[in-house]
Amino acid sequence: EVQLVESGGGLVKPGGSLRLSCAASGFPFSSYSMNWVRQAPGKGLEWVSSISSVSGYIYYADSVKGRFTISRDNAKNSLYLQMNSLRAEDTAVYYCARYVGALKTQWFDPWGQGTLVTVSS
Amino acid sequence: QSVLTQPPSASGTPGQRVTISCSGSSSNIGSNTVNWYQQLPGTAPKLLIYSNTQRPSGVPDRFSGSKSGTSASLAISGLQSEDEADYYCAAWDDSLNGPVFGGGTQLTVL
Repeated sequence: EVQLVESGGGLVKPGGSLRLSCAASGFPFSSYSMNWVRQAPGKGLEWVSSISSVSGYIYYADSVKGRFTISRDNAKNSLYLQMNSLRAEDTAVYYCARYVGALKTQWFDPWGQGTLVTVSS
Repeated sequence: QSVLTQPPSASGTPGQRVTISCSGSSSNIGSNTVNWYQQLPGTAPKLLIYSNTQRPSGVPDRFSGSKSGTSASLAISGLQSEDEADYYCAAWDDSLNGPVFGGGTQLTVL
């Protein structure tokens, strides 16, 4: 069974840092691009960042560029998101999602269960 | 403000057919494929339709997608109570160089 399990969320003060992890299983992790997508409480979905299968291509939403860093360890079947200089508006459930398909036509499938990040003093 | 525009809400009675629209521009829907996601209350999003019209295995054929120009639609026929959820459209945006989502449509089964 294809599965993604996020961890690392929690409460952090504004300006603080947090590192999210996503453990993948049930598929050849090193063959797929991966993403982080977030959802603020009561709001819609927002793509955060993506990384290609061998980390050659990395993209960020403007809202997190310069503050967040996506990375992966194919040997550990794991995806990461290092979040620095956190702001209140970064409060959200963060989902890990696999990319399927070719560039510009790809879709997110599956999604993890999400991990909640709360930025508050 | 989402790049793709969806109605915030939709509703229907059991057995009815409902459609949810998704409006974009030439840089996203107009030049790339559209995907739809279903998010049941308290759960993670799930892929519902990909590449405009394709259903993943396990998705009932009551769900169908279409695209014309810079707009797309999700149709649900034979509406059931378990279809009550939030629905999101998404597409790659050439100007932003990343995927964009609609604001989501909350479907209520009356």
